[in-house]
Order: sequence, then C-alpha cells, then structure tokens
Amino acid sequence: QVTLKESGPVLVKPTETLTLTCTVSGFSLSNARMGVSWIRQPPGKALEWLAHIFSNDEKSYSTSLKSRLTISKDTSKSQVVLTMTNMDPVDTATYYCARIAARPGYYYYMDVWGKGTTVTVSS
Amino acid sequence: EIVLTQSPGTLSLSPGERATLSCRASQSVSSIYLAWYQQKPGQAPRLLIYGASSRATGIPDRFSGSGSGTDFTLTISRLEPEDFAVYYCQQYGSSLTTFGGGTKVEIK
Repeated sequence: QVTLKESGPVLVKPTETLTLTCTVSGFSLSNARMGVSWIRQPPGKALEWLAHIFSNDEKSYSTSLKSRLTISKDTSKSQVVLTMTNMDPVDTATYYCARIAARPGYYYYMDVWGKGTTVTVSS
Repeated sequence: EIVLTQSPGTLSLSPGERATLSCRASQSVSSIYLAWYQQKPGQAPRLLIYGASSRATGIPDRFSGSGSGTDFTLTISRLEPEDFAVYYCQQYGSSLTTFGGGTKVEIK
C-alpha cells in the first residue's frame, strides 16, 4: 500500500523558515517513473503547486515562489523535504505531498496524496 | 506559465443530473498532461482523470474527461450524493505544474 505522510511544525513565526518532511512508503524514491510534489491550499482557497523532485534529482519550483523554496530527498530514509524561507501570514495553509507518476511523452499525474499538514504563520 | 481557468465557479445541481465542468488553458496543453481531481471537505484531493480522458483506478464510469488544446471538460453523467465536492484541473508543461481555481458542485 502506497502512503505519504507530511510532518512539520504547526505554528511558525513570520520571517522564520519552514521545514516540512514527506515520508513515503510502498514505493521507492529511486523509481525512475515516480516523483514527489508539494502542494498547498490556504483555507477556503484553491490548490497551489509548489515544487517537485524526481528520482534523478530533477527539481522544479513554482515560478512565483522559486526564490523561497528548496526541495530535496533522502532515498535511504524515503523522505522528501521542502523548505520555505521568510514565512508570512499569507503562507498559512494545509501543505500536501503527493506521489507523481510520470513518463515523459506519456503521462504526468499525482495519484496518491498525503492527508496534509496545517501550518499557521503568526507571531 | 500556463494559467487554467475553471468554470463555472459553482454548479448547483440535483442528484441524478448531469454535470459539465470546464477547464480552459491560457495556451495549448498537451492532453497527456491534463488531470482532474476531486476534493471533499477536510480531505486531500483524489485523482479522477489523467491524460485528459483516462479514469484512475477505482473511479466509476459516470466520470469522463475530454478535450484538447486549450479546452477540457469533466463530465459526471448522473450525479450521486457522494459526487458533491470541489473539482480541480491540473496541467504539466515545461517542467511546471499548475492547478485551476476549482469548480464546486453543490446540491441544488
């Protein structure tokens, strides 16, 4: 059974750096046709894609947040880590990680999602 | 960056009715990289459709996807009570992913 679980602080202060961890099971981060995305959703708002990483360490970031995001993985620990610097109250959201099934020229979709972790930015 | 615009914002329908949801892209999207998700309150999104028209595992056949280029459609042929939710389209291109703003399907 494939599962993803997000973990990290519930509350961060403005200007601090947020570090979130996605721990996966049921598949390997070394699988050539799989990756992990981070997506967030402010309360009552739409989904916003943040970043993804693939087994070959290919990374991509949201254009609007690129300067603040870093994604990395530890295959041995089955973990993907997202850091976001200079947090602001507008970054208050539920943060999800999701498995990507991808094959260039054939498909790309997020087929398994974690339950999400809620992060509040407040002093 | 490709912007996805979903319409309508809210669709008010009765169980048994047909729902037609639209997703329009600001520039052409490869249909193999267009997906649809369903999200219920307090839950994570669930993959419904990938490759614009292929149903994900376990998705009932009342859900169907179509379209190409800049215009894509999700159709629910006969709404069941569990189908009232928010639906998002998503595209992947040039190493970037974007989501639409969502369509809420509510009970009339």
